[in-house]
Amino acid sequence: GQNIDQPTEMTATEGAIVQINCTYQTSGFNGLFWYQQHAGEAPTFLSYNVLDGLEEKGRFSSFLSRSKGYSYLLLKELQMKDSASYLCAVRRTDMRFGAGTRLTVKP
Amino acid sequence: DARVTQTPRHKVTEMGQEVTMRCQPILGHNTVFWYRQTMMQGLELLAYFRNRAPLDDSGMPKDRFSAEMPDATLATLKIQPSEPRDSAVYFCASGLGRERTDTQYFGPGTRLTVL
Repeated sequence: GQNIDQPTEMTATEGAIVQINCTYQTSGFNGLFWYQQHAGEAPTFLSYNVLDGLEEKGRFSSFLSRSKGYSYLLLKELQMKDSASYLCAVRRTDMRFGAGTRLTVKP
Repeated sequence: DARVTQTPRHKVTEMGQEVTMRCQPILGHNTVFWYRQTMMQGLELLAYFRNRAPLDDSGMPKDRFSAEMPDATLATLKIQPSEPRDSAVYFCASGLGRERTDTQYFGPGTRLTVL
């Protein structure tokens, strides 16, 4: 089986930093993905981790600990346009998504 | 500007009718995924293909759903007969399987409403 857990909702202030956590339990692991999905739109790829550690890409960073079954997405210098759902997904031979975290960025 | 295309973008139909959704993956991509998204269940994997061969369709109700890839440029998802509980947004995604990141690129989705 496979469980992927992430908080349902988060709120943060423009210009701040927010960390969105994801924990997973899976048999087999071939990488963890983070996707961003704005309301009414398709998910878009943000980051990918397959080895332990931090991957940085501009304002977004993603961390993975395989032994702990844990990842987080870190968003810095928040902008209003970052208000969206953030989906954690684990790849085995297939791909399974968490329910998503709805982030609201307030002025 | 390569992107995944899906048709139709919106579909309203009556219970019992057949629904066919189409997806054109990005040229050169060899993996295709079908997902369904609802408020209650989130994003669920229905089926996926590699090099046109179905690898996993365990997430798909077999009695009414079918997925095929007649050729490398077309993937179809068919529901027959459709039911109100099938109302959802259906996304197709494609990927270049051998990429390090194996990123999936999503199409815009088909919003299906079954009355």
